[in-house]
Amino acid sequence: QVQLVQSGAEVKKPGSSMKVSCKASGGDFSSYPISWVRLAPGQGLEWMGRVTPNLGVSHYTQKFQGRVTITADKSTSTTYMDLGSLTSDDTAVYYCALDYGIGMDVWGLGTTVTVSS
Amino acid sequence: EIVMTQTPLSLSVTPGEPASISCRSSQNLLNSDDGHTYLDWYLQKPGQSPQLLIYTLSYRASGVPDRFRGTGSGTDFTLKISRVEAEDVGVYYCMQRLELPWTFGQGTRVEIK
Repeated sequence: QVQLVQSGAEVKKPGSSMKVSCKASGGDFSSYPISWVRLAPGQGLEWMGRVTPNLGVSHYTQKFQGRVTITADKSTSTTYMDLGSLTSDDTAVYYCALDYGIGMDVWGLGTTVTVSS
Repeated sequence: EIVMTQTPLSLSVTPGEPASISCRSSQNLLNSDDGHTYLDWYLQKPGQSPQLLIYTLSYRASGVPDRFRGTGSGTDFTLKISRVEAEDVGVYYCMQRLELPWTFGQGTRVEIK
């Protein structure tokens, strides 16, 4: 089964951008959507958007529209989530998750992003 | 977007006793084209990534014990745990997968008495 390996923790300044990666190994990556979900302190899970690598098509939730870009590089089996104009509200653990058509049943371990001046 | 509302937001349960969590959606989650109801349940245990428990209303994900059951229809759904065990602590979320953007409920924190 596919495993998802995420990039390491980051500290960012307000107003800057972040780019988190999620590399798939051990199975078919490109046919299935990969979503990005975040968990901010004291908050619940929040679905941000997803990409289907084979199609190169991305969808985003309205809240992040214009600020987030989710892409996939099939040659390296890696998905990227770019989030710009960071504020302290973007401090969170960011997860990637693979959907085999039954919901998000394979998850990465998460990437902690701290936004602080 | 579809709004998901969970109750209660927290739950304290005695081991061996049953528990249930309710979830309501702002729209019917039945896909009339294929007859499936796209409501999933996730559990995030302390210090872990979320895990899929139930998908498409009532199907248990691989490795999920049969004490977990998903029921409901239309806009009202329930996750039932027949006998809570210590390992069931964490935050439970319902999520609709009928239409994009997918949306989660607020989460229900389950603790053991």
